[in-house]
Amino acid sequence: KAGVTQTPRYLIKTRGQQVTLSCSPISGHRSVSWYQQTPGQGLQFLFEYFSETQRNKGNFPGRFSGRQFSNSRSEMNVSTLELGDSALYLCASSFTGGEAFFGQGTRLTVV
Amino acid sequence: QKEVEQDPGPLSVPEGAIVSLNCTYSNSAFQYFMWYRQYSRKGPELLMYTYSSGNKEDGRFTAQVDKSSKYISLFIRDSQPSDSATYLCAMSDMNRDDKIIFGKGTRLHILP
Repeated sequence: KAGVTQTPRYLIKTRGQQVTLSCSPISGHRSVSWYQQTPGQGLQFLFEYFSETQRNKGNFPGRFSGRQFSNSRSEMNVSTLELGDSALYLCASSFTGGEAFFGQGTRLTVV
Repeated sequence: QKEVEQDPGPLSVPEGAIVSLNCTYSNSAFQYFMWYRQYSRKGPELLMYTYSSGNKEDGRFTAQVDKSSKYISLFIRDSQPSDSATYLCAMSDMNRDDKIIFGKGTRLHILP
């Protein structure tokens, strides 16, 4: 059974640009959550999508947005990038919202 | 008070020792408790998943939940250098909004 796939694995962007990250969940999983991980703050919840609807949202500015498609694949977008957005972005999938399985993450560097 | 508290470590123990990792939490509604292992530059890997109070064992790993004390533990027996990683506790209530709350992780070093 294939795991959670995140693309790309690495990204370098400049301040002010926007970026889109992609996540393909485990087959059959309908819940996809996104997290930002930094050394100082740990794993911080961004948002969760379930059956194409945003079910939960963390405390991040509106520059961070996401969506989920009918095949459960999800994308997150960050607009007007700031240096502080440099982090490991992790996607996790679960069947209904219980035990969550993570992808390898996308490491974003903003310069 | 933070919802989930976890000592960041680092925790260094000799190979073969029993490791004890712990988290405390404040939300009594949490019912589902998880432990993840994260190696450097990798995504977290689910190790243990438990519901409500009690113990769960899987190989060298034992997870304990004490809901009355709002305290969870992960024990690693016969620790190996390959167990060196960051361990994150996580929990959710699964009734209100299914959001999973993570601890900040404990860095563990197993010394050969």
